[in-house]
Amino acid sequence: GENVEQHPSTLSVQEGDSAVIKCTYSDSASNYFPWYKQELGKGPQLIIDIRSNVGEKKDQRIAVTLNKTAKHFSLHITETQPEDSAVYFCAASTSSNTGKLIFGQGTTLQVKP
Amino acid sequence: GAGVSQSPSNKVTEKGKDVELRCDPISGHTALYWYRQSLGQGLEFLIYFQGNSAPDKSGLPSDRFSAERTGGSVSTLTIQRTQQEDSAVYLCASSLSSGQPDTQYFGPGTRLTVL
Repeated sequence: GENVEQHPSTLSVQEGDSAVIKCTYSDSASNYFPWYKQELGKGPQLIIDIRSNVGEKKDQRIAVTLNKTAKHFSLHITETQPEDSAVYFCAASTSSNTGKLIFGQGTTLQVKP
Repeated sequence: GAGVSQSPSNKVTEKGKDVELRCDPISGHTALYWYRQSLGQGLEFLIYFQGNSAPDKSGLPSDRFSAERTGGSVSTLTIQRTQQEDSAVYLCASSLSSGQPDTQYFGPGTRLTVL
């Protein structure tokens, strides 16, 4: 079955710097890749997603890139702010099954003011 | 509008007792998912509902776990004879459909502690 690996497990950056989180997936049939942000005591919140027919997607300070050949995708956050501090999860899904998401292990991002 | 809601937010139970966790999906969402998040871990898929049927139960860890959905809306996850390893946050998500992977909206979760 699908397996998603996420790195790094923890990331500390200075406010204003960029942060990059990387994920790899194993199932070449995967075609949907969302990123979720989870704050303490809350459920995950979708921040951006990408489908396999595009290579990059941007939303203000957040961007996601997808390399289907290498089976990896990355989250880029520019001009980081303290409120970006949270746990970030990548996930993968295929349309041939139930739409269930296979998640990476998460990255704890700390943005130091 | 209203998001996914779950109850209770916290549940403490004794080993061997049964528990029921409830999920109210976003109105009109036909797909509903249960995930489990153990301490410091990623999210693990448990079960998927399309309407009232559950075509994918592959993530349920044992036959002590079951779930149902009625009226294409509310779902309950039942854990019988709870064990300490069942302690986790149980998250519910819903999406408009599942045919084309669709955005899943998560509830706040139920934190289950088995003593």
